[in-house]
Amino acid sequence: DSGVTQTPKHLITATGQRVTLRCSPRSGDLSVYWYQQSLDQGLQFLIQYYNGEERAKGNILERFSAQQFPDLHSELNLSSLELGDSALYFCASSDGQGRDSGNTIYFGEGSWLTVV
Amino acid sequence: DAKTTQPPSMDCAEGRAANLPCNHSTISGNEYVYWYRQIHSQGPQYIIHGLKNNETNEMASLIITEDRKSSTLILPHATLRDTAVYYCIVRVWSGYALNFGKGTSLLVTP
Repeated sequence: DSGVTQTPKHLITATGQRVTLRCSPRSGDLSVYWYQQSLDQGLQFLIQYYNGEERAKGNILERFSAQQFPDLHSELNLSSLELGDSALYFCASSDGQGRDSGNTIYFGEGSWLTVV
Repeated sequence: DAKTTQPPSMDCAEGRAANLPCNHSTISGNEYVYWYRQIHSQGPQYIIHGLKNNETNEMASLIITEDRKSSTLILPHATLRDTAVYYCIVRVWSGYALNFGKGTSLLVTP
């Protein structure tokens, strides 16, 4: 158990809809990361937040957005869903405060999104 | 972050040591070497990381060459549950996300 919690574990929705994926980082971790993994692609970095502020952007579509709340949990919002958005979405967290010698990133178990 | 090169696949007999190589010839002095693995459709699992010294933990050992241009992850006694994709990633400590390549698909056979 990495300590990173993601909900829901599975989600099926229709094209054009909007969903929200939720992530609770490990206790005390300030950084949250979102990744997408589809069948034909590897693990793709989407976006990172640090203590409530966006820190880095990867291959995130404009239809997707994220935020990190004051209690440090994060949400990934996916809108105008297309069939190609079907994928595993992972959240990860890291300390980011210098307490961990390698600033190691720990991953949750993912949220399976199926768009039909 | 520096790029890494790993063999696409490897086999290992159960109970034997699995030695997974990684080349990172463009690594910078402040970049760490991280190893993660992903068992089918589960979240990537942190294994070990190092800067320049060899490291060992309960899961594996990491051997980094003196010039830091390559490293080897060693699973001392591979089990069937070690079958997974193993990723070698280099990243600065204060860096941002991990950039995953294709990794090495390790198959442990009975």
